[in-house]
Amino acid sequence: AQTVTQSQPEMSVQEAETVTLSCTYDTSESDYYLFWYKQPPSRQMILVIRQEAYKQQNATENRFSVNFQKAAKSFSLKISDSQLGDAAMYFCAYRSAYNAGNMLTFGGGTRLMVKP
Amino acid sequence: DTGVSQDPRHKITKRGQNVTFRCDPISEHNRLYWYRQTLGQGPEFLTYFQNEAQLEKSRLLSDRFSAERPKGSFSTLEIQRTEQGDSAMYLCASSMEGPRAQHFGDGTRLSIL
Repeated sequence: AQTVTQSQPEMSVQEAETVTLSCTYDTSESDYYLFWYKQPPSRQMILVIRQEAYKQQNATENRFSVNFQKAAKSFSLKISDSQLGDAAMYFCAYRSAYNAGNMLTFGGGTRLMVKP
Repeated sequence: DTGVSQDPRHKITKRGQNVTFRCDPISEHNRLYWYRQTLGQGPEFLTYFQNEAQLEKSRLLSDRFSAERPKGSFSTLEIQRTEQGDSAMYLCASSMEGPRAQHFGDGTRLSIL
């Protein structure tokens, strides 16, 4: 079974600065997908960014980028030019490419606080 | 795209009662997922449907939990004889078939008195 670990329960960043959230995972599969989801307080979870394991190029979405290290099974999220609206819980998630159900396995989350 | 809708947003009930939650997925999505999220944790997968077929239910927490999607559109999750440990947020998500992102609803927060 796959596991996802987020070792930082809380992180803090100054507005306009850059912050990196860590995620490691354990799997014996070679093909899979990785995701970062954002969950603001009392609001729905939304997809921030996704990465296909077969792609060597790191995914980017505007101010959000990832550092995907397949051999190290590491998948960190970098948020540049942090904004107050970035404050939320961030979850790293894994999905197998082989399992037909494509269910997500989540890490425990990192609470990001943004200081004005 | 009206998003994934869940009802109710919050349910308070006494221990031992049965509860049912409803999820309306994005209309063109044929896959529907249920997750449970306890306080301070990431969501935990429970079950999923492709159209009306429930293709994975081994992760349902006990036989008190059941889910249906009778016409391949909305889904219900029922918990019978609720226990204190059932207190959690129950999230529904939907997606198109294939390696597509899952879209989540706001969740139903269950509180057991």
